[in-house]
Amino acid sequence: RKEVEQDPGPFNVPEGATVAFNCTYSNSASQSFFWYRQDCRKEPKLLMSVYSSGNEDGRFTAQLNRASQYISLLIRDSKLSDSATYLCVVPYNQGGKLIFGQGTELSVKP
Amino acid sequence: NAGVMQNPRHLVRRRGQEARLRCSPMKGHSHVYWYRQLPEEGLKFMVYLQKENIIDESGMPKERFSAEFPKEGPSILRIQQVVRGDSAAYFCASSHSRVDTGELFFGEGSRLTVL
Repeated sequence: RKEVEQDPGPFNVPEGATVAFNCTYSNSASQSFFWYRQDCRKEPKLLMSVYSSGNEDGRFTAQLNRASQYISLLIRDSKLSDSATYLCVVPYNQGGKLIFGQGTELSVKP
Repeated sequence: NAGVMQNPRHLVRRRGQEARLRCSPMKGHSHVYWYRQLPEEGLKFMVYLQKENIIDESGMPKERFSAEFPKEGPSILRIQQVVRGDSAAYFCASSHSRVDTGELFFGEGSRLTVL
């Protein structure tokens, strides 16, 4: 099993749609998780942190299922500006490196 | 702007030359990470450094690649005798503390092209 594995993309959705991305991780000891966003191969930026069962921030909801070692990101009412690559990120060990998934590309169309 | 500064932004080298990429972390950050992103691929961890120490270099190729973060000055990623396969975007990131409790701040990246 890969350390971090994401849904292959791309996802092409119309404005206003709800879209969900899935991510699985192999390190059962991981305690915190992150979703980053990367626009057009620019620098990644933190979108959301997930420390317990989930987190919600406006149109974005992240959920965590520790038993299944699974994280999801839900985007409601998609906007054109949501078009980007979404990266699932998991710490490899306490205080160590962050492992990035390969990313899921989202394209929101008018 | 007190963000993570990387230079050069673009670097072109011929096979066999050396490439040096520099990274100045955000003010107050003492943890520096280097990642590599090949075309059409995800970010791959290379090395994690704190001032004067290499904490984790498990992602660094065994040969030709080295990194340092001296007491004074920026972190340097050095690639000797570059080959075409080294062409990639190299991102530096910094954090104030352990990354499992905080956010990584990335620089805009250095794009290396090997001819």
